[in-house]
Amino acid sequence: EPEVTQTPSHQVTQMGQEVILRCVPISNHLYFYWYRQILGQKVEFLVSFYNNEISEKSEIFDDQFSVERPDGSNFTLKIRSTKLEDSAMYFCASSRVNTEAFFGQGTRLTVV
Amino acid sequence: AQSVTQLDSQVPVFEEAPVELRCNYSSSVSVYLFWYVQYPNQGLQLLLKYLSGSTLVKGINGFEAEFNKSQTSFHLRKPSVHISDTAEYFCAVSGSHLYNQGGKLIFGQGTELSVKP
Repeated sequence: EPEVTQTPSHQVTQMGQEVILRCVPISNHLYFYWYRQILGQKVEFLVSFYNNEISEKSEIFDDQFSVERPDGSNFTLKIRSTKLEDSAMYFCASSRVNTEAFFGQGTRLTVV
Repeated sequence: AQSVTQLDSQVPVFEEAPVELRCNYSSSVSVYLFWYVQYPNQGLQLLLKYLSGSTLVKGINGFEAEFNKSQTSFHLRKPSVHISDTAEYFCAVSGSHLYNQGGKLIFGQGTELSVKP
């Protein structure tokens, strides 16, 4: 069964460093998303991406965040200058028209 | 705008007992409703969804949920739980007009189901 894959599963980075989280969505899906879950809190929407551009973003998705689909298969989330409060589980998801979102297993980001 | 409230953060239950996980939502537009499950150290997996039609929907692993529009609820139930059902359960909504266009999900805070022998 096709699945969304995310790498790495765990990333530790120093405050102020740039980090790139990678995702390979399901191949025939058209919509791509990033969500995050801070420990003990709810899963929050960050951004959705369609047709090579952002279709919606939340208030959390400020200028330090960016997304890219560099090669037609990967979908990346870049955090330019990480802060302690960026520590969270980041989930990538993808969907087709008229389907639910399929989620990856997540990348646990720890900022120290 | 939509919001989701899961009234119970933790639900302990004994094996083979019935369980109900509660979910209420708020929305100014019609919505589609979902339950996702997250097993330890895994991602989110769709358990079931309500889009239209019968208000009682059945999902994987013997779970079912009932959509109640008047009470704006979408409670999840299972008549007899197993140890393997221990996981975190998330209720989520999406505006139905956005579903065809990759609309985002709004999640509740999650309910940790702990099944004890």
